Amino acid sequence: GAGVSQSPSNKVTEKGKDVELRCDPISGHTALYWYRQSLGQGLEFLIYFQGNSAPDKSGLPSDRFSAERTGGSVSTLTIQRTQQEDSAVYLCASSLVLFSNEQFFGPGTRLTVL
Amino acid sequence: AQTVTQSQPEMSVQEAETVTLSCTYDTSENNYYLFWYKQPPSRQMILVIRQEAYKQQNATENRFSVNFQKAAKSFSLKISDSQLGDTAMYFCAFIPPNNDMRFGAGTRLTVKP
Repeated sequence: GAGVSQSPSNKVTEKGKDVELRCDPISGHTALYWYRQSLGQGLEFLIYFQGNSAPDKSGLPSDRFSAERTGGSVSTLTIQRTQQEDSAVYLCASSLVLFSNEQFFGPGTRLTVL
Repeated sequence: AQTVTQSQPEMSVQEAETVTLSCTYDTSENNYYLFWYKQPPSRQMILVIRQEAYKQQNATENRFSVNFQKAAKSFSLKISDSQLGDTAMYFCAFIPPNNDMRFGAGTRLTVKP
């Protein structure tokens, strides 16, 4: 595709429900990144993928968060048993190679947990 | 710790004037990349300008330029001839070698007509 796409654009859910956020990176980009942006804050790094592998999960806020990437392309970020503090914009980015000098960002998913 | 600090939460500037956004960072690395990203209300993060730490010459992109002071670990963004479309959040970021990108907390810039 022309750029990084994310779906849904907005998600409203009830506390305790599970949500799945999707990221479609730029075709051919081997690296993919997830960030969380809380209201009025900067970006908090969550996890990266090199191909389908995520060697470091330490940035995930809790064990309710998980992410996977299949086929070296689409990635999903899953939040189980959502809490109100999970409300944020979740941004995905991709780059040609890991930690290269330019990441291309998607438009984000705004998650609201009621 | 490798951190990025933006000390100006909010700034405003009159249309057509010049504004400078500050950024400092902390790292023990010698080679790294520095960036300024713009995030308008659409939420799309847009790369404004980048600088390689090994280059002494300050990067310039049209109305946007940086003042990179490596010894002081300072990386400020100057916007000349400000336009209404420059209104956005601006994030300073850097990538240390083989590591994830670190962002500052952002500066909200408002360009006034």
